[in-house]
Amino acid sequence: DQQVKQNSPSLSVQEGRISILNCDYTNSMFDYFLWYKKYPAEGPTFLISISSIKDKNEDGRFTVFLNKSAKHLSLHIVPSQPGDSAVYFCAPTGNYGQNFVFGPGTRLSVLP
Amino acid sequence: EPEVTQTPSHQVTQMGQEVILRCVPISNHLYFYWYRQILGQKVEFLVSFYNNEISEKSEIFDDQFSVERPDGSNFTLKIRSTKLEDSAMYFCASSERGGSSYNEQFFGPGTRLTVL
Repeated sequence: DQQVKQNSPSLSVQEGRISILNCDYTNSMFDYFLWYKKYPAEGPTFLISISSIKDKNEDGRFTVFLNKSAKHLSLHIVPSQPGDSAVYFCAPTGNYGQNFVFGPGTRLSVLP
Repeated sequence: EPEVTQTPSHQVTQMGQEVILRCVPISNHLYFYWYRQILGQKVEFLVSFYNNEISEKSEIFDDQFSVERPDGSNFTLKIRSTKLEDSAMYFCASSERGGSSYNEQFFGPGTRLTVL
């Protein structure tokens, strides 16, 4: 089951620079997309979402872009901070939020 | 800030034993979920629960698994006869809405289940 792919298992970025995390999906029924952040020994925490009627959603330092035709979304963090170091999961759904399909995650390390 | 809590934080059990993982969702939330994450793998959906019944379940959620909301606050996941491959982190989540409206799910800290 490879409905959701995050092809970069890890990413290192210098503090203050932009972090770009990518997510690709195959299921055309997905129409609501969330990003979760996960620290070690904690549960995932909601970060930002976007619905398929939009192509961009911004919240502070975090912006999510959605390209429906390419079935691709990306999360931009700018400027990146050391506290952003975590695993980021892309989690789309197409079932009114009943079940989110989590991607494998990208481990982001922001270096001071 | 309200949060989802889970107990115990770590459960060690022998293969074949029954385990019950407990969760207290956020109090005004109506939709409840269980996910699991096997070490090094992705977070996988197990089951969603609303109005005292299962609304959706994955193929992972077989007859060995059951969920219950025994009172107004707790939401439990029972594994009847644990297998080695059930060793994982189990996350409970809740959301205020579901059904016809999208809503983010709030996750608990997880219970680490180790089956020996």
